[in-house]
Amino acid sequence: EDQVTQSPEALRLQEGESSSLNCSYTVSGLRGLFWYRQDPGKGPEFLFTLYSAGEEKEKERLKATLTKKESFLHITAPKPEDSATYLCAVQVPSGGYQKVTFGTGTKLQVIP
Amino acid sequence: NAGVTQTPKFQVLKTGQSMTLQCAQDMNHEYMSWYRQDPGMGLRLIHYSVGAGITDQGEVPNGYNVSRSTTEDFPLRLLSAAPSQTSVYFCASKEGQNSNQPQHFGDGTRLSIL
Repeated sequence: EDQVTQSPEALRLQEGESSSLNCSYTVSGLRGLFWYRQDPGKGPEFLFTLYSAGEEKEKERLKATLTKKESFLHITAPKPEDSATYLCAVQVPSGGYQKVTFGTGTKLQVIP
Repeated sequence: NAGVTQTPKFQVLKTGQSMTLQCAQDMNHEYMSWYRQDPGMGLRLIHYSVGAGITDQGEVPNGYNVSRSTTEDFPLRLLSAAPSQTSVYFCASKEGQNSNQPQHFGDGTRLSIL
């Protein structure tokens, strides 16, 4: 069974204090790993797609990396506006369609 | 560019009532899906559609019906609401079933069943 585990569940950082969020997965035939940001009362907003081990993507203070077992979302010098829940999801082929399994998310709070 | 639009944003129902959650997208995406999001659990797939006239069940389909008469619209129907269906419901779309592109989500419908 496909599994996606995110850690930590919650993270509190001081403004400027860099850290990393983890997404570990156990799947067969990864077709893509997605990172989303979700603000309270909103739907998930797409950040990155990673397709193969060794791939990296960057956007402003965020950098996503991928290995064969996990992905990290590195946040460099975070600001309060980076506070949100970050979700990862994996896409694998399943019975003729692409199945997407989501993790439960990491809730990030950045304190001024 | 509106993207994925869901209505209503909030709804309170009594047990046994029925209702339809609306979802529309303006990106001409073939693939659309419905998820529910509950505390401590990841988004779970309810139903999905790979094109007009074609729908299929996801991980948690019981108690829900869908139809897809147009490319743009993908409504979700609760036949007889139960307290266990209290949740936040998200509609999403992407280009095609086998596309590796990410899904685009609406802002959700928050549903409470009393």
